[in-house]
Amino acid sequence: DQQVKQNSPSLSVQEGRISILNCDYTNSMFDYFLWYKKYPAEGPTFLISISSIKDKNEDGRFTVFLNKSAKHLSLHIVPSQPGDSAVYFCAASAGAGSYQLTFGKGTKLSVIP
Amino acid sequence: DAGITQSPRHKVTETGTPVTLRCHQTENHRYMYWYRQDPGHGLRLIHYSYGVKDTDKGEVSDGYSVSRSKTEDFLLTLESATSSQTSVYFCAIRRDLTDTQYFGPGTRLTVL
Repeated sequence: DQQVKQNSPSLSVQEGRISILNCDYTNSMFDYFLWYKKYPAEGPTFLISISSIKDKNEDGRFTVFLNKSAKHLSLHIVPSQPGDSAVYFCAASAGAGSYQLTFGKGTKLSVIP
Repeated sequence: DAGITQSPRHKVTETGTPVTLRCHQTENHRYMYWYRQDPGHGLRLIHYSYGVKDTDKGEVSDGYSVSRSKTEDFLLTLESATSSQTSVYFCAIRRDLTDTQYFGPGTRLTVL
């Protein structure tokens, strides 16, 4: 069973507009969530994270929102830039004792100039 | 930059041959991981290590073995490569006291 789901395989957004990438999870033990960005032929790069004790975390143009009751998180990119075009992976951890991340399948974001 | 290198970066091999991929880190992190990335599957954990000679299986460990004889090196071995093991392999480290993992540049393996 897929514990972390990214239901949109792809997303196209106009440059300057907001990009919203979504992620759902099923395991209620997950308490730390991360977003990674991946360009072709490179390794995933850590982007932003959020702990379950928060509902929002911001870093520049990137904001992650967490809705624990809905088991849903989203990544907002404002404003979107062509350089943001990449595959974005959502990941989750079940706390300090797990030492493992569970990844979603990724969403390919295309920002159109 | 988490000081992670992977070698080789690209490899083409034939079915049935053994293959070893190397991950090297420069920061002495305790936890190291091997993932594979395939279209439609995201990143799937193969094996991980929590110290020298301490390893455990991940989600897709069949057909793979690992070894860690030094803190800085984590080796992934395909004893007898199959075409289903054609993939991009990523190594990662976990920084101490966090759950965040940092990835190497990847190895593209093609098994003919």
